[in-house]
Amino acid sequence: SQQGEEDPQALSIQEGENATMNCSYKTSINNLQWYRQNSGRGLVHLILIRSNEREKHSGRLRVTLDTSKKSSSLLITASRAADTASYFCATISGSARQLTFGSGTQLTVLP
Amino acid sequence: DAMVIQNPRYQVTQFGKPVTLSCSQTLNHNVMYWYQQKSSQAPKLLFHYYDKDFNNEADTPDNFQSRRPNTSFCFLDIRSPGLGDAAMYLCATSRGGSSDEQFFGPGTRLTVL
Repeated sequence: SQQGEEDPQALSIQEGENATMNCSYKTSINNLQWYRQNSGRGLVHLILIRSNEREKHSGRLRVTLDTSKKSSSLLITASRAADTASYFCATISGSARQLTFGSGTQLTVLP
Repeated sequence: DAMVIQNPRYQVTQFGKPVTLSCSQTLNHNVMYWYQQKSSQAPKLLFHYYDKDFNNEADTPDNFQSRRPNTSFCFLDIRSPGLGDAAMYLCATSRGGSSDEQFFGPGTRLTVL
């Protein structure tokens, strides 16, 4: 069963605006990862944040993690049409090697 | 440059006719995963191999089997596909640590007629 829930389920913004997606999870985690999936393709790893980190940046991406609230957010700044995709958070807990995915957010960036 | 390769990209089979999907990797990773992803849903893990050690998810139907003859290749066998098995099947790899990212192949879209 899915561990995480994401909101919003769908987000539509204009090019140049910022996009924020949120993820909540249920159990303690080792790390949380964000993946992007273009339509009909495989997933691409974007960023990983460990449980002892609160914020991480990578290019136009900013990820926050609040372990007390069991939540994370992904901010994409200055969005581009090419950012249109589904975004999934995924967690790893304990000694597990497997990811548990959230339900995903479909982002549409309008030119 | 391809790191995780899946063949074929599109597979059409008939109800009940066995089908095999293949995955290969050039990363020399220890772990290989198979996910099922239905439309507008998150990927669902079916099973994974850590080296030759097979790990099946509890809710993976018996209809789904896997083989990993060597480090580079992993196969997904669907013995008797039903209409509900139509989905995207994603293969992924990782080094095997709990903090490792996974590298995904482009997926195989399975259609069951």
